[in-house]
Amino acid sequence: KNQVEQSPQSLIILEGKNCTLQCNYTVSPFSNLRWYKQDTGRGPVSLTIMTFSENTKSNGRYTATLDADTKQSSLHITASQLSDSASYICVSIERGGSYIPTFGRGTSLIVHP
Amino acid sequence: NAGVTQTPKFRVLKTGQSMTLLCAQDMNHEYMYWYRQDPGMGLRLIHYSVGEGTTAKGEVPDGYNVSRLKKQNFLLGLESAAPSQTSVYFCASSKQEPAYGYTFGSGTRLTVV
Repeated sequence: KNQVEQSPQSLIILEGKNCTLQCNYTVSPFSNLRWYKQDTGRGPVSLTIMTFSENTKSNGRYTATLDADTKQSSLHITASQLSDSASYICVSIERGGSYIPTFGRGTSLIVHP
Repeated sequence: NAGVTQTPKFRVLKTGQSMTLLCAQDMNHEYMYWYRQDPGMGLRLIHYSVGEGTTAKGEVPDGYNVSRLKKQNFLLGLESAAPSQTSVYFCASSKQEPAYGYTFGSGTRLTVV
């Protein structure tokens, strides 16, 4: 069964600090990996999408990396802001007829002033 | 604004009652999905559709039915609600290209008592 494991489960940092969230996946065959940000009470919003040939992609202060050999991805947040407080969800997409996604359980990030 | 609209936003049902959740998108996306999100768990796929008139089962389809009579609408039905169906339900849509991200609705919070 395809799985996506995220760590840590939760994280508390001070405003202005950097942090890195981890994602390990077993999805095969692999199509692409995505990171989403979900604010409390809202639907997830896409941050980055990476195919197996991409190993880094940035979106403002968010930088995602992908190692397709080890099946690991990370999301690095630089100079955190209070608005970064959210759940960050890693999603791996299986290559196939309908590209079914496998969602991780998310990392809950709290940024304190 | 363009996007995915879910109605209703909140609903309380009694066990055994039925209801339909409506998802509408105005982006001409081919693919549409229904997910449920429970505390401590990742988003789980209930049903999905790869085009008008098509539906397919996801990871947790039991107790739910869907229909996609029009390309822009995807309906999720609960025929006989159970307390185990208390959850937040998200609809999402996507283009056919595998590397295209999902656009999520803002969710429907359903409580079955």
